[in-house]
Amino acid sequence: DAGVIQSPRHEVTEMGQEVTLRCKPISGHDYLFWYRQTMMRGLELLIYFNNNVPIDDSGMPEDRFSAKMPNASFSTLKIQPSEPRDSAVYFCASSPLGAADEAFFGQGTRLTVV
Amino acid sequence: AQSVTQLDSQVPVFEEAPVELRCNYSSSVSVYLFWYVQYPNQGLQLLLKYLSGSTLVKGINGFEAEFNKSQTSFHLRKPSVHISDTAEYFCAVGDNAGNMLTFGGGTRLMVKP
Repeated sequence: DAGVIQSPRHEVTEMGQEVTLRCKPISGHDYLFWYRQTMMRGLELLIYFNNNVPIDDSGMPEDRFSAKMPNASFSTLKIQPSEPRDSAVYFCASSPLGAADEAFFGQGTRLTVV
Repeated sequence: AQSVTQLDSQVPVFEEAPVELRCNYSSSVSVYLFWYVQYPNQGLQLLLKYLSGSTLVKGINGFEAEFNKSQTSFHLRKPSVHISDTAEYFCAVGDNAGNMLTFGGGTRLMVKP
């Protein structure tokens, strides 16, 4: 397996624009996590899915953020409208057993909102 | 709720010296404990994990960690570090109730020649 694949690797957008981040988890993994990493706040869990169903989205900072998982092999994180404070590295991770096992991380998407 | 505290944000150390990165956690339920490493511009990768059994856990690259339930700690150690160990290290706790991983703030290990 190629691992968790995220796209794009880098995204620069203007404030107010819609941004969509994409993730392909490892096949057979039932759990998918979206994290945000910043210098100030470290690594924050935004939302996670189990079998394509959102289980906990309490980490999603605002209504401008939304995440979907239409099938077992694809998830998106959307920010609309984007703001400069959304600038961060966004990681997707997948795991076969949730918190009881290793989470495999993608390379991340570095988002810059200007 | 669970939380993870990594007491040192940066640890400078000379090559071939021993190192310990500290991690303390709090949780009201049984936990699983992990250490991850992040190299520059990379995602996180697993170093080692404690799920149950022996409290001394050995991981990749010569690292090991010891689970201490009474002190709620899971410190990471390596007897002799290399320049290539320079990276950010994250301690994480998972609980069997919420199925979420909570990460500490990270410790930047800087190995100097």
